[in-house]
Amino acid sequence: GESVGLHLPTLSVQEGDNSIINCAYSNSASDYFIWYKQESGKGPQFIIDIRSNMDKRQGQRVTVLLNKTVKHLSLQIAATQPGDSAVYFCAERGGANNLFFGTGTRLTVIP
Amino acid sequence: DTGVSQDPRHKITKRGQNVTFRCDPISEHNRLYWYRQTLGQGPEFLTYFQNEAQLEKSRLLSNRFSAERPKGSFSTLEIQRTEQGDSAMYLCASRKGDTDTQYFGPGTRLTVL
Repeated sequence: GESVGLHLPTLSVQEGDNSIINCAYSNSASDYFIWYKQESGKGPQFIIDIRSNMDKRQGQRVTVLLNKTVKHLSLQIAATQPGDSAVYFCAERGGANNLFFGTGTRLTVIP
Repeated sequence: DTGVSQDPRHKITKRGQNVTFRCDPISEHNRLYWYRQTLGQGPEFLTYFQNEAQLEKSRLLSNRFSAERPKGSFSTLEIQRTEQGDSAMYLCASRKGDTDTQYFGPGTRLTVL
């Protein structure tokens, strides 16, 4: 079955530095991956997604990298800002087009 | 604000009571999902609708849980005979059929006393 895990449960970075959040997945047949940001008391907010036929996708200040060989996904946030402090989840698509989520990484930005 | 709305935002109930939550998806989104999220965990998939058809419900946590989407627009999730273990955030997400991205609502926080 699908499972998604994160390497680090917490990450602290200085404001202005780049952040890298990692994620491992187990289903080599997964064809779609997505990152969400969740602030306390709110629903997950879409950040960026990537299909398995791509290795990299860039958004505004964010980049997702997909390494299918080692089943690894990462989210890079450039010039991290205090507003980036939140829990970040990666998820992979399941058979019913549902998403399977990992536990999440809490990002804390130090001013 | 993603455009997905959920009501109520918070619900406190006593054990044994029934509760119902409502989700209004983004208007052109024909796919609707329910998830449950407990503290410190990622959302856990419960059920899925395409229009009014419930295409996946095997992951509903027990037969006390049921969901409907009678007209293919809003959806309701009902929990009968609530238990303390049902306390969680219940999230709804929707997507347009020809796209991949699911957009989540703000959730309903359920507390069972």
